[in-house]
Amino acid sequence: GAVVSQHPSRVICKSGTSVKIECRSLDFQATTMFWYRQFPKQSLMLMATSNEGSKATYEQGVEKDKFLINHASLTLSTLTVTSAHPEDSSFYICSARRPVNYGYTFGSGTRLTVV
Amino acid sequence: AQSVTQLGSHVSVSEGALVLLRCNYSSSVPPYLFWYVQYPNQGLQLLLKYTSAATLVKGINGFEAEFKKSETSFHLTKPSAHMSDAAEYFCAVSEGSAGNMLTFGGGTRLMVKP
Repeated sequence: GAVVSQHPSRVICKSGTSVKIECRSLDFQATTMFWYRQFPKQSLMLMATSNEGSKATYEQGVEKDKFLINHASLTLSTLTVTSAHPEDSSFYICSARRPVNYGYTFGSGTRLTVV
Repeated sequence: AQSVTQLGSHVSVSEGALVLLRCNYSSSVPPYLFWYVQYPNQGLQLLLKYTSAATLVKGINGFEAEFKKSETSFHLTKPSAHMSDAAEYFCAVSEGSAGNMLTFGGGTRLMVKP
């Protein structure tokens, strides 16, 4: 139980295009999901907290117009990287907070490469 | 504010040797503490968590960790390393509740030599 599916696992896109990453909780409802960014050989950096039915809360220094987050249902949050540039290349990971006993389940991550 | 420090970004052990990964935390309220493992190009998998119950916590894959309030530590150990343990390990803390925001340490890469 408590599975989070993240797609795609890898994506390569051209500079200037937009990329959407999906994070789904498969067997539980997640009112809160989190999006992280991880640079090579570094830790996870929280980008934003996504709450179902309301606007996401972005961490300081994260451009909300560039990293659009939508949490339209209790099982789906999406992160759209708009007008992607090579410096946006990174590993993006989502996590969902479980409603019972809390705790977090992480997605398997998305490797984004912008060329 | 909460923070986590993992001492040693790289740890190398021989197969069969003791694994010790260090984690110290800072928290203004009783902390909830977690250890996660990450394999290349994958998400994070929970190894174990401390939620104010027993101070010695046993997790998956033979790992355990001991919460020491006086030392503000939550070190991860395993008596005998396997090659399959080679991965990145992250210590994390959340304040006041297991459901509050996680703050991660910098991570420790564990290498296991044959």
